[in-house]
Amino acid sequence: DQQVKQNSPSLSVQEGRISILNCDYTNSMFDYFLWYKKYPAEGPTFLISISSIKDKNEDGRFTVFLNKSAKHLSLHIVPSQPGDSAVYFCAASARNQGGKLIFGQGTELSVKP
Amino acid sequence: DGGITQSPKYLFRKEGQNVTLSCEQNLNHDAMYWYRQDPGQGLRLIYYSQIVNDFQKGDIAEGYSVSREKKESFPLTVTSAQKNPTAFYLCASSEGAGNTEAFFGQGTRLTVV
Repeated sequence: DQQVKQNSPSLSVQEGRISILNCDYTNSMFDYFLWYKKYPAEGPTFLISISSIKDKNEDGRFTVFLNKSAKHLSLHIVPSQPGDSAVYFCAASARNQGGKLIFGQGTELSVKP
Repeated sequence: DGGITQSPKYLFRKEGQNVTLSCEQNLNHDAMYWYRQDPGQGLRLIYYSQIVNDFQKGDIAEGYSVSREKKESFPLTVTSAQKNPTAFYLCASSEGAGNTEAFFGQGTRLTVV
């Protein structure tokens, strides 16, 4: 039972344009959502998070949007840079279910110069 | 320097042998996690611990065991009962369970031959 789903395994974007990475979830008890960036053979690094009481959180070039009714969140990167090329994972947790982080399958972003 | 350390980075074992992966953190975090990454499958939760001397099974705990005798340490043993042990293993820690980001180590690549 995949509670967090990233249905696009890969995404290719031109440098300077917007990258939009999507994530869907099924567990209505999730109350905290995160995005991580990962390079091969390294641990993921935290990018940005959002609580379920908000619908948007912004940090520099990164913005996360949460649509609770649709159980959908997205990460926008504007403008995209070649250094953004990596695998992006979304994750979710529910405080009243132990707070464990559940991850999606990841989306590999390629930003072309 | 505060952080989370996994050792070794690469580990080779013969089939049928148990092997223990080390994870140490000096962030004073209460919660610790073990994930496994396989190609195209994202990060799957093996075990997690919210507090010393307590831990819970994740989604794929079969063939693994853990201990949490000290706050800073959460070793993972891959037993001979694990049918497909070759994978990239990631340890993480967070301040508490839920509504907080987790910080990851650099991972251990285990190869069983």
